[in-house]
Amino acid sequence: KAGVTQTPRYLIKTRGQQVTLSCSPISGHRSVSWYQQTPGQGLQFLFEYFSETQRNKGNFPGRFSGRQFSNSRSEMNVSTLELGDSALYLCASSYQGNRETQYFGPGTRLLVL
Amino acid sequence: QKEVEQDPGPLSVPEGAIVSLNCTYSNSAFQYFMWYRQYSRKGPELLMYTYSSGNKEDGRFTAQVDKSSKYISLFIRDSQPSDSATYLCAVRGGNQFYFGTGTSLTVIP
Repeated sequence: KAGVTQTPRYLIKTRGQQVTLSCSPISGHRSVSWYQQTPGQGLQFLFEYFSETQRNKGNFPGRFSGRQFSNSRSEMNVSTLELGDSALYLCASSYQGNRETQYFGPGTRLLVL
Repeated sequence: QKEVEQDPGPLSVPEGAIVSLNCTYSNSAFQYFMWYRQYSRKGPELLMYTYSSGNKEDGRFTAQVDKSSKYISLFIRDSQPSDSATYLCAVRGGNQFYFGTGTSLTVIP
């Protein structure tokens, strides 16, 4: 079974731009969660989608948004990029939203200049 | 106070050593405890998860939870160079899910 895939793997943007990241979960998994990973803060939860509905949300500003499609694929959007948004963005999928058994993708490394 | 605290290391051990990785957490409501391994330039990989207190063993890995002291541990026996990675602990209670910042481990051949 194919794992979680994320595109693109690397991205360079400038301040003020917006970016969209994509995640394809493991086949059959209906829950997708997004995380931001930085050296200083570690892994921080952004939001979780289950069957196209946002089920949980972390403590991030409204510039961070997401959505999930009927095939469970998910996108995350960051508008008005700031230097501090430079990070590894990880998505993880699970079968029924049991995040204790979630599987992570390789991540998208975003650099904001 | 952070929900999960983890010593960042780095930790360097000789091949074959027993490694002990530890985290403390703040909220007694947390019920699920996870350990992930993350290699450089990869996403975290779930190693083990436990529910409530006690020990869980999987091959060379043993996860231990002590809810009375809010302390979780991962032991790696007969450590190998391939175990060199960053190890992240995580806790979950209801919809709350928190990761430690990770401990970098290097196993020297």
